[in-house]
Amino acid sequence: GQQVMQIPQYQHVQEGEDFTTYCNSSTTLSNIQWYKQRPGGHPVFLIQLVKSGEVKKQKRLTFQFGEAKKNSSLHITATQTTDVGTYFCAGAGGTSYGKLTFGQGTILTVHP
Amino acid sequence: EAQVTQNPRYLITVTGKKLTVTCSQNMNHEYMSWYRQDPGLGLRQIYYSMNVEVTDKGDVPEGYKVSRKEKRNFPLILESPSPNQTSLYFCASSFLLPGQENTEAFFGQGTRLTVV
Repeated sequence: GQQVMQIPQYQHVQEGEDFTTYCNSSTTLSNIQWYKQRPGGHPVFLIQLVKSGEVKKQKRLTFQFGEAKKNSSLHITATQTTDVGTYFCAGAGGTSYGKLTFGQGTILTVHP
Repeated sequence: EAQVTQNPRYLITVTGKKLTVTCSQNMNHEYMSWYRQDPGLGLRQIYYSMNVEVTDKGDVPEGYKVSRKEKRNFPLILESPSPNQTSLYFCASSFLLPGQENTEAFFGQGTRLTVV
């Protein structure tokens, strides 16, 4: 079945440093979604990427979708303590439009 | 307020005792889904429903049942819980299917289940 691998599993940064997490799918996706989960909270939708090679920005966050629609990345510039949490990618539409396959998540810790 | 509501938030139960976790959304969403979250494994989809009376298996359906008798509710049923079903469970809903454009999932607050 469809698998989505996400690395790294953990990332510790000093406040102000950049951060990147990567996702790779075993199948071509119709879209990829990114979610953030604060400690003790629930996943919250950040963005959806649909087009091949798409790049979207949200303030300090930059999201990319690969040309083959099998990989994606999230880059945060100049991290802040409010960025702490787990970032998940989720691939959709590879085998069924109803399935959403999450990566393992990257736990981001930001040291002040 | 638009939301997905799960109950209970915390549950400790014994092996074999049937239980139901409820999920309700007030956004008139067609699509609903259940996930379990375990350390190092991310969220894994258990079951999903694309409409009333339409349900389908996700990646880890064994040991679970669901029903979708009305649009707003999507309960998760564990007929005979076992310790390996100890996990954090999330219900989610969206207006469109995950594979469609302009979709986003809204998650409930989670249910932490412990089976002893």
